Amino acid sequence: EVQLVESGGGLVQPGGSLRLSCAASGFTVSSNYMSWVRQAPGKGLEWVSVIYSGGSTYYADSVKGRFTISRDNSKNTLYLQMNSLRAEDTAVYYCARDVSGSSFYYFDYWGQGTLVTVSS
Amino acid sequence: SYVLTQPPSVSVAPGKTARITCGGNNIGSKSVHWYQQKPGQAPVLVVYDDSDRPSGIPERFSGSNSGNTATLTISRVEAGDEADYYCQVWDSSSDHYVFGTGTKVTVL
Repeated sequence: EVQLVESGGGLVQPGGSLRLSCAASGFTVSSNYMSWVRQAPGKGLEWVSVIYSGGSTYYADSVKGRFTISRDNSKNTLYLQMNSLRAEDTAVYYCARDVSGSSFYYFDYWGQGTLVTVSS
Repeated sequence: SYVLTQPPSVSVAPGKTARITCGGNNIGSKSVHWYQQKPGQAPVLVVYDDSDRPSGIPERFSGSNSGNTATLTISRVEAGDEADYYCQVWDSSSDHYVFGTGTKVTVL
């Protein structure tokens, strides 16, 4: 059974840092595309970042240069290092497994999410 | 950047049909996916690649995509279908994933 379990969320001051983790089971993280998606309170879904199976990474313009996506193959875990955090980064952060085709990419499994609150 | 526009809300009586639109420039040339999200829960994929359903999703959920509009249709609506629905595409020009603005479906 595929499972994704996020952790690492919490309260952080503006300008601070936080690292989110997403422990996967039932499949191999390094063989799949994996993404982070966030949802601000009362708002819609926003894609944040993806890491391809080959290691390439891409970021939304809103987080580029501040966030870094990575994975630990030995732990089968996905990470999101978040630096220079701003109030507008406050959201529930979900990790999701991507399904990739020749011209389409979508998310077939999602974690339960972890809440990040950026406030002084 | 590519933009997907959805109506903020759709209301439907039980047993009737709900149609949720997702507008985007030439969206018919892209593959569209739909997610259902209930309060306090993670999103769930209900339609992928315009009109395919994952296992476990009722046949009442169907999708279509042409021109500048993709549509998620929920037939014989039930109270349990009340949720937020999001469309999503992959923008090949930027290697970015794009979500629609979301539609809240209310069952009357």
